Amino acid sequence: DTGVSQNPRHKITKRGQNVTFRCDPISEHNRLYWYRQTLGQGPEFLTYFQNEAQLEKSRLLSDRFSAERPKGSFSTLEIQRTEQGDSAMYLCASSNRDTQFYGYTFGSGTRLTVV
Amino acid sequence: AQTVTQSQPEMSVQEAETVTLSCTYDTSENNYYLFWYKQPPSRQMILVIRQEAYKQQNATENRFSVNFQKAAKSFSLKISDSQLGDTAMYFCAFILYSGGGADGLTFGKGTHLIIQP
Repeated sequence: DTGVSQNPRHKITKRGQNVTFRCDPISEHNRLYWYRQTLGQGPEFLTYFQNEAQLEKSRLLSDRFSAERPKGSFSTLEIQRTEQGDSAMYLCASSNRDTQFYGYTFGSGTRLTVV
Repeated sequence: AQTVTQSQPEMSVQEAETVTLSCTYDTSENNYYLFWYKQPPSRQMILVIRQEAYKQQNATENRFSVNFQKAAKSFSLKISDSQLGDTAMYFCAFILYSGGGADGLTFGKGTHLIIQP
């Protein structure tokens, strides 16, 4: 297992376009988290999955954002009608029930630039 | 709501020196966990050290140690014998035990640590 994998690493899109990011967690981790990190800020929690169930969503996750984890393995985060304010690093992390309080394993992130 | 405050946006020290990064947090809960994460430029977030709130003993990991003051809600990170590879953003983070961790980690804004040769 090579850790948490995120694709693509970088995405440049025009305002108004839709984008989708993918996260492949560590295989034995059933918990998956999405965070957003803007320049000069710490990561902010977006949403949390336990297996395929989305159990928590931040107020930051507007109606234009949707996340799925259909089979409890990989997850996708889609942003519709992108805005310049969506430009950020989108981080994915995973853990399991035993390790969730031992610190998550983070991916390298997807950097989104909306032009 | 829980908050984490890192009051030092940037710090710079010479190689081999000792540096302390500050972190304070706010919560009304009693059972939680605290973390320091390191984020090198263009690289992924790495866990540096972890502290359980119910443990009075300060955590240590090789050159990294914490000073955990629960009553003061303070959680500072000390890096001894600093190395060039320690140059990175350092984030203090917090998670409640209640709720099973569903609320996720709450991060501070980070401290940019620069180790000068």
